[in-house]
Amino acid sequence: GEDVEQSLFLSVREGDSSVINCTYTDSSSTYLYWYKQEPGAGLQLLTYIFSNMDMKQDQRLTVLLNKKDKHLSLRIADTQTGDSAIYFCAESLTTSGTYKYIFGTGTRLKVLA
Amino acid sequence: GAVVSQHPSWVICKSGTSVKIECRSLDFQATTMFWYRQFPKQSLMLMATSNEGSKATYEQGVEKDKFLINHASLTLSTLTVTSAHPEDSSFYICSVGTNEQFFGPGTRLTVL
Repeated sequence: GEDVEQSLFLSVREGDSSVINCTYTDSSSTYLYWYKQEPGAGLQLLTYIFSNMDMKQDQRLTVLLNKKDKHLSLRIADTQTGDSAIYFCAESLTTSGTYKYIFGTGTRLKVLA
Repeated sequence: GAVVSQHPSWVICKSGTSVKIECRSLDFQATTMFWYRQFPKQSLMLMATSNEGSKATYEQGVEKDKFLINHASLTLSTLTVTSAHPEDSSFYICSVGTNEQFFGPGTRLTVL
């Protein structure tokens, strides 16, 4: 079945790096995504990685994908208080030309000043 | 990326009434739109895929007669929660796109 899991909470000090992990079960994912959600707001796409890539870097964000272990991680360098939010990983699945997104459970990141 | 709006942002209604939520794709012609529901402190759950000019595809466990979806044009999909009950109180989010999804800001529904 389709299942995406994340740890629920992460707390880091300002300036440190944050690493948020995600595991998924469906190996037919085409893309994997990281979204940020602030309280009471919609989702903001942070970055995404194509399933045949191992790593993608975008400014302070580094995405690592281990397809064999079905493990995705998001590293935020020099974490700031403004990074405090809930982070969701998601995978997109394609079936007969139809796209479907499966979201992870979300990781609440708290950055301590 | 595509700009997606939702209306209203927040709605409070009495139990038993119906509520319509609009999702508009402002600069992207969307043959498909997605509707999600997010309960407090939980993840987004896909409810249904809205298809322009045809019937929506509902996920398992989602009642199609309760959550009516209409996708009349390439820029507008509506979700109507019929005979809403307190347990329908949630954050409803729509999205458009293919490989990359663009999300609306969400609609918070509170049913008293």
